Amino acid sequence: GESVGLHLPTLSVQEGDNSIINCAYSNSASDYFIWYKQESGKGPQFIIDIRSNMDKRQGQRVTVLLNKTVKHLSLQIAATQPGDSAVYFCAENKSSGGGADGLTFGKGTHLIIQP
Amino acid sequence: GAVVSQHPSWVICKSGTSVKIECRSLDFQATTMFWYRQFPKQSLMLMATSNEGSKATYEQGVEKDKFLINHASLTLSTLTVTSAHPEDSSFYICSAILAGGPGETQYFGPGTRLLVL
Repeated sequence: GESVGLHLPTLSVQEGDNSIINCAYSNSASDYFIWYKQESGKGPQFIIDIRSNMDKRQGQRVTVLLNKTVKHLSLQIAATQPGDSAVYFCAENKSSGGGADGLTFGKGTHLIIQP
Repeated sequence: GAVVSQHPSWVICKSGTSVKIECRSLDFQATTMFWYRQFPKQSLMLMATSNEGSKATYEQGVEKDKFLINHASLTLSTLTVTSAHPEDSSFYICSAILAGGPGETQYFGPGTRLLVL
């Protein structure tokens, strides 16, 4: 079936550097994407979202890019800090118009921040 | 705001017993709640969608008679794992959608870790 997946299971970066986490999706009908951060033993924490009518969205130290042509999503974290160490998931919501659908999660990328 | 809690945070039970997990939206009303399951080092998998006052909708492959869901109020949904077996050991996470909100943002609970011996 269609799924949301990630390219790299583990990403190690130096503290202060920028991180880029990638995600590929296969469902062209997807219209809403979300990035979550999950620390060990905790539930997912919302980071940033983007709708399919946008290419880029910025938050505090984070930027999400959406390339619908190649069905690719990325999360950029600027000036990574030790507290950014976690597993990051992209997720897809196939609903449109405010519908309440469950999310399809990607496999996750473990971001490791080295001092 | 938009805090979701789960109880218990962890539970250990014997094989064959039933376990009830609660999901509460603490400071908002949630017309829809979702239940996910996460095995170690894996992603979250949607189990079911829980709507207040109606029967839950289960994803393909999830046994509705084994995972009983009740959404009796706008702030509480419960998941009961009936006749639990070791393969049901997992991290169960709920999420809730803010009633009257944009309709898509899901707020996640902290999860419940279940270990079946």
